[in-house]
Amino acid sequence: DGGITQSPKYLFRKEGQNVTLSCEQNLNHDAMYWYRQDPGQGLRLIYYSQIVNDFQKGDIAEGYSVSREKKESFPLTVTSAQKNPTAFYLCAANRGTEAFFGQGTRLTVV
Amino acid sequence: SQKIEQNSEALNIQEGKTATLTCNYTNYSPAYLQWYRQDPGRGPVFLLLIRENEKEKRKERLKVTFDTTLKQSLFHITASQPADSATYLCALEMGYSTLTFGKGTMLLVSP
Repeated sequence: DGGITQSPKYLFRKEGQNVTLSCEQNLNHDAMYWYRQDPGQGLRLIYYSQIVNDFQKGDIAEGYSVSREKKESFPLTVTSAQKNPTAFYLCAANRGTEAFFGQGTRLTVV
Repeated sequence: SQKIEQNSEALNIQEGKTATLTCNYTNYSPAYLQWYRQDPGRGPVFLLLIRENEKEKRKERLKVTFDTTLKQSLFHITASQPADSATYLCALEMGYSTLTFGKGTMLLVSP
């Protein structure tokens, strides 16, 4: 069963903590992406990676970091520098022009 | 920067009618435009892609048009069903296969 797996589904973070969101794919796609979605807003691009060991900032990269050590994995770290991290985070992988999305991680700051 | 506007936040229609959703964009025309469906608390699911040199694309009850002069795409669902109720997102290609998304239109189909 191919797809994008994001974990955890729900995540709670205390102020000042870093947290890492997991994204794994078994689709064998080269390109992977992280988006953030706020209520009533479109998806906004945080980071993307076209190939292993390489990634680029998207429109709202401040306060986030990523790594791409393996083709299958593209974890996102939300650092304490991100002032408003509460949101729905979506990971995607592209096969050509079509994006496949995971089921998302809802992060809440408590 | 590219701006995308989807016609309304919510659209209510009766079962069996045709739903028409609008996506307008500013600035340059993308190489292609996509439509996604998103259900509450879930990731978007790809529906259709239309390229700049295509006027219309169909898939079952779905139809997409793309007018690069008007900078507009229309998304139609014919013979709508309550199961079509969801948020529909328009997305434009921005290079390197990155996408810019609209805020979406929430469609509610009433029995």
